[in-house]
Amino acid sequence: QFVLTQPPSVSAAPGQTVTISCSGGRSNIGNNYVSWYRQLPGTAPQLLIYDNNKRTSGIPDRFSGSQSGTSATLGITGLQTGDEADYYCGTWDSSGGRWVFGGGTKLTVL
Amino acid sequence: QVHLVESGGGVVQPGGSLRLSCAASGFTFSSYGVHWVRQAPGKGLEWVAFIRFDGSNKYYADSVKGRFTISRDNSKNTLYLQMNRLRTEDTAVYYCAKDRARYSGNYLPYWGQGTLVTVSS
Repeated sequence: QFVLTQPPSVSAAPGQTVTISCSGGRSNIGNNYVSWYRQLPGTAPQLLIYDNNKRTSGIPDRFSGSQSGTSATLGITGLQTGDEADYYCGTWDSSGGRWVFGGGTKLTVL
Repeated sequence: QVHLVESGGGVVQPGGSLRLSCAASGFTFSSYGVHWVRQAPGKGLEWVAFIRFDGSNKYYADSVKGRFTISRDNSKNTLYLQMNRLRTEDTAVYYCAKDRARYSGNYLPYWGQGTLVTVSS
């Protein structure tokens, strides 16, 4: 259903590391920068990572992004309970011209 | 400081119309592309439409193509979304979001707080 594929959920204990994958194709991740967004319940999404691996101002270096081929990954180290949220990847899709989001990943910090 | 404030949401019957507005401030509105993004209750983000900085090109999701029209008035720093032939599946919170780029999507650094559209009989 979604052009970009993310795992529906991930979980880890406080202090541990988690990665969230985002898989796409040549017309989107393969040829355009990926950005990552965090959404807390009842609030608007917030930009975390842009241009594959650049952190937005104010985002700690516990958050990192990477891209390889047609996939991207968001990494979060030193997990905190405050990191619990929904995370979305997004990018431009050059095929037809549209923006695409992944289906979202719910992060639970156990 | 960048501010995006959506308005115009409400309850409408299936087949009806609604126009959303997004008032922008704190940046040169006429220099950036802008998106509409929606989120149905309990669901993920769904991109709806994008308009270039000068309004010269518009892009739509297949789910709204032919029913929704995105437009902008740079003299009023305002983005619009005209929604016609509304369906129950259009029920969602609608966000406007500023892009970093002018011509196509790059990334979305600023978002409004959203306005709720409910399509129900």
